[in-house]
Amino acid sequence: DAGVIQSPRHEVTEMGQEVTLRCKPISGHDYLFWYRQTMMRGLELLIYFNNNVPIDDSGMPEDRFSAKMPNASFSTLKIQPSEPRDSAVYFCASSSGMNTEAFFGQGTRLTVV
Amino acid sequence: QKEVEQNSGPLSVPEGAIASLNCTYSDRGSQSFFWYRQYSGKSPELIMSIYSNGDKEDGRFTAQLNKASQYVSLLIRDSQPSDSATYLCAVPPAGTALIFGKGTTLSVSS
Repeated sequence: DAGVIQSPRHEVTEMGQEVTLRCKPISGHDYLFWYRQTMMRGLELLIYFNNNVPIDDSGMPEDRFSAKMPNASFSTLKIQPSEPRDSAVYFCASSSGMNTEAFFGQGTRLTVV
Repeated sequence: QKEVEQNSGPLSVPEGAIASLNCTYSDRGSQSFFWYRQYSGKSPELIMSIYSNGDKEDGRFTAQLNKASQYVSLLIRDSQPSDSATYLCAVPPAGTALIFGKGTTLSVSS
């Protein structure tokens, strides 16, 4: 398996624009997680899915953020409109169970100017 | 609010020494515990998992768990410059996803 695949690797956008981050989890993994990492706040859980269903989105910072998982092999995290404080590295991870190890994608470095 | 706490460091050790990294967690219901390593500009990589009280060894790495004290540690023996990275402790509170500490930065000098 190629591991968790994220795209794009880097994204630079202007404030107010819509940003869509994409993730393909490891085949057979039932859980998918979106995390955001900044120097100040570390690695924060934004939302996670089980069998394509959102289970906990309490970490999503604002209504500007939304996430979907239309099928077992694809998820998106959308920010609309984007703001400079959204600049961070966004990681997608997947796992085979709730209390098992999670495997991370390479991340998307988002810069909002 | 469920929390995972780590000393941010930096922790500096000479090559060949033992590096000791510590982590405390708030949810007594947690049943599994993980250590990840993250090199600068890279994604977190799992290096150890532990589920039972006591020690678990894997090569130069030893994870130690004490559920009564809500404490988990990672020892790195014979530290190498290539071990220089940020080490993240991760604990899933009961019924939810992995929560990460902010990480301890380790620097191994040759």
